[in-house]
Amino acid sequence: AQTVTQSQPEMSVQEAETVTLSCTYDTSESDYYLFWYKQPPSRQMILVIRQEAYKQQNATENRFSVNFQKAAKSFSLKISDSQLGDAAMYFCAYFTSGTYKYIFGTGTRLKVLA
Amino acid sequence: NAGVMQNPRHLVRRRGQEARLRCSPMKGHSHVYWYRQLPEEGLKFMVYLQKENIIDESGMPKERFSAEFPKEGPSILRIQQVVRGDSAAYFCASSPKSRFSYNEQFFGPGTRLTVL
Repeated sequence: AQTVTQSQPEMSVQEAETVTLSCTYDTSESDYYLFWYKQPPSRQMILVIRQEAYKQQNATENRFSVNFQKAAKSFSLKISDSQLGDAAMYFCAYFTSGTYKYIFGTGTRLKVLA
Repeated sequence: NAGVMQNPRHLVRRRGQEARLRCSPMKGHSHVYWYRQLPEEGLKFMVYLQKENIIDESGMPKERFSAEFPKEGPSILRIQQVVRGDSAAYFCASSPKSRFSYNEQFFGPGTRLTVL
């Protein structure tokens, strides 16, 4: 069974600094997708970044980038130039092509210190 | 273009009452998914529906929970005789395409159910 593990329940970062959130997953599939979602206090799930497993190049979206290590089954999120508005829960998620279930990790609460 | 809509956003029920949660998918989307988020946890899949069909309900509790997506109108997640353990955020997501290829699911804002 596929699993997603986020080992950091909480992280803190100073405003304007860089922080990395960790995620590991377990799967025997070769075709899948990985995501980072942001959940602010409003609870709305906001897609931050997506990575297709068949792509070797790490995805980037402005200040957000990932370090995708397929052999190690690791998918970390780096947030550069952290802003107060980045404070939220961040969930790592996995999706196998041909299925329809997202599998979420337990989340990392990110605090941004002014 | 409106996103996925869920109502109510907050729902309070006493033990033993029924809860009805509604989800209107994005325009053009015919696939609906329900997820539950217990406190301090990630979202967990409950059920996948297409119009008038339940495709996969493997994540639904065996009793008291049911879901439907009628030909007309929103998808409904129904919880009968609620208990305190049902208190959670319930998210609906929708997607436009066949389940046989990847297609992004768009999440609604969730319904926060509190059982007193």
